[in-house]
Amino acid sequence: AQRVTQPEKLLSVFKGAPVELKCNYSYSGSPELFWYVQYSRQRLQLLLRHISRESIKGFTADLNKGETSFHLKKPFAQEEDSAMYYCALPTGAGPASKLTFGTGTRLQVTL
Amino acid sequence: DTAVSQTPKYLVTQMGNDKSIKCEQNLGHDTMYWYKQDSKKFLKIMFSYNNKELIINETVPNRFSPKSPDKAHLNLHINSLELGDSAVYFCASSPREGNTEAFFGQGTRLTVV
Repeated sequence: AQRVTQPEKLLSVFKGAPVELKCNYSYSGSPELFWYVQYSRQRLQLLLRHISRESIKGFTADLNKGETSFHLKKPFAQEEDSAMYYCALPTGAGPASKLTFGTGTRLQVTL
Repeated sequence: DTAVSQTPKYLVTQMGNDKSIKCEQNLGHDTMYWYKQDSKKFLKIMFSYNNKELIINETVPNRFSPKSPDKAHLNLHINSLELGDSAVYFCASSPREGNTEAFFGQGTRLTVV
């Protein structure tokens, strides 16, 4: 079955500390993966997609096919990074495709 | 302002009532979705429509009925509301089928009392 696993429900770090939000996936084939962020009571926004290999707000994520992982990293956490982070995998085919989300990780950055 | 917009933002209603949530996207996308975010923040797809046609119905009770009058609109009607329906409902759209990102509305926080 195609699925996404985010093992941590909550990750609490100090401001300035490195951040790594874990995401593992189960998918046969070459996946396209996304990270979405949801700030308090706001809409989900696309943060990163692996195919573009970009860095947004200091976050990066590398697809590791050997470990079937797509961890989200940032070298120095900022207070404004506090939010819910979801890893997402498009599943299904053609018109029946959809985004399957992990259970989310709440990142809490404290002073 | 190009976006996915949904109304209302907040909805508080009594058990047994019928309510609707509206969604519109002006992004020119063919595919639209409804997702449910429960109290544990789990996000799960409910429905998807492609060009007004229902494509995905993920074992949602038939008290939930989506309606797409045109490809820019996807409304969600809920009959006989139950306490367990309390959640945040997100509308989303995608530019095309396949492995592509989704753009989300701001959510509708439904509270059933």
